[in-house]
Amino acid sequence: DGGITQSPKYLFRKEGQNVTLSCEQNLNHDAMYWYRQDPGQGLRLIYYSQIVNDFQKGDIAEGYSVSREKKESFPLTVTSAQKNPTAFYLCASSPTDRASPLHFGNGTRLTVT
Amino acid sequence: KQEVTQIPAALSVPEGENLVLNCSFTDSAIYNLQWFRQDPGKGLTSLLLIQSSQREQTSGRLNASLDKSSGRSTLYIAASQPGDSATYLCAANTGNQFYFGTGTSLTVIP
Repeated sequence: DGGITQSPKYLFRKEGQNVTLSCEQNLNHDAMYWYRQDPGQGLRLIYYSQIVNDFQKGDIAEGYSVSREKKESFPLTVTSAQKNPTAFYLCASSPTDRASPLHFGNGTRLTVT
Repeated sequence: KQEVTQIPAALSVPEGENLVLNCSFTDSAIYNLQWFRQDPGKGLTSLLLIQSSQREQTSGRLNASLDKSSGRSTLYIAASQPGDSATYLCAANTGNQFYFGTGTSLTVIP
């Protein structure tokens, strides 16, 4: 079955450590996205990529970094510069056709103490 | 910038009732509008996608409508069931980005 796999489901880190969240898709989608979800707030876009080796900042990119070396993979690194990293992180993908739907993974809950 | 609003934020109904969830957006220049369901601690599951040229889409007990000119979409759920309890989100696709509402948390009481 095609889909988006995010790992791990839960992640715990100490403050000051960088951490990388994995996102892999086998839907053959060109575009991939990272969103952050906090209680009471809508999904906020961190980074997106529409093609391999290219990506753009979203609304809340500060303190995060990404890479897109393969079409299937779009890992997100939460750096120590992110002031409030504890959140639910969602990865999504879509074809680049603007009329196509968005597909989501099951998310990673990151807790930083 | 596109802003998406969902009202009400929470809704509680008895089993079997028909209900309507609302989604409004400020910029009518959208390619499509997508409705999602989210269960606690899970990702978003796509329910319905309405293209900008369409007025409505149906899937089983779900019917979504779109009125671009007024910047509104509704999700109609017929004969609600306890298994429908979840948060429902809408997202407006501007072609470059997807803009999400904060969701409506639905509880269906047996």
